[in-house]
Amino acid sequence: AQKVTQAQTEISVVEKEDVTLDCVYETRDTTYYLFWYKQPPSGELVFLIRRNSFDEQNEISGRYSWNFQKSTSSFNFTITASQVVDSAVYFCALSGNNAGNMLTFGGGTRLMVKP
Amino acid sequence: EADIYQTPRYLVIGTGKKITLECSQTMGHDKMYWYQQDPGMELHLIHYSYGVNSTEKGDLSSESTVSRIRTEHFPLTLESARPSHTSQYLCASSGAGGNNEQFFGPGTRLTVL
Repeated sequence: AQKVTQAQTEISVVEKEDVTLDCVYETRDTTYYLFWYKQPPSGELVFLIRRNSFDEQNEISGRYSWNFQKSTSSFNFTITASQVVDSAVYFCALSGNNAGNMLTFGGGTRLMVKP
Repeated sequence: EADIYQTPRYLVIGTGKKITLECSQTMGHDKMYWYQQDPGMELHLIHYSYGVNSTEKGDLSSESTVSRIRTEHFPLTLESARPSHTSQYLCASSGAGGNNEQFFGPGTRLTVL
């Protein structure tokens, strides 16, 4: 069975602060994929990143960065210099070795960035 | 950018009515999914499809039904809506090959009075 845990249900920061969203996963698959999605107040889920289990290189995209550590089964997401527009619910998800691209989602972390 | 559409975006309806939530994608994706999202944020897979004429139930039991007659279209139907069906419904699609990301539509917020 697969499981994704986002222990932080809500985080509140002041604009320009850095913030890290934690994601811990469990899977028995040797090949798997990890994802982050953003859900703004409008409701749609926006795909942010996909990471393969055999690629532990960290990734940076503008103010966003992702730290993947297989040793601790974690795939954390950091926003640098947060902005009000970053306020959203963020979901971490896991897809094991399945042809259906089925995702197991974490419970989500609601991030509130105050001006 | 993903091209996946859902209509209506918002629907308020009375108990007992039959409703159909529409979902269409223009990417030619074989795989499509329906999720139900609780007010507490958690997403639950209720239906999925691997292609035309393929439909399966997801992890969360749902009284809704789906059909997949065309690749681009994956509607969800509730024969008799009840207040317990009040939720957000999100449609998604995914391309061929293993473990591609799912692209989501904007969702339908359903309220059953």
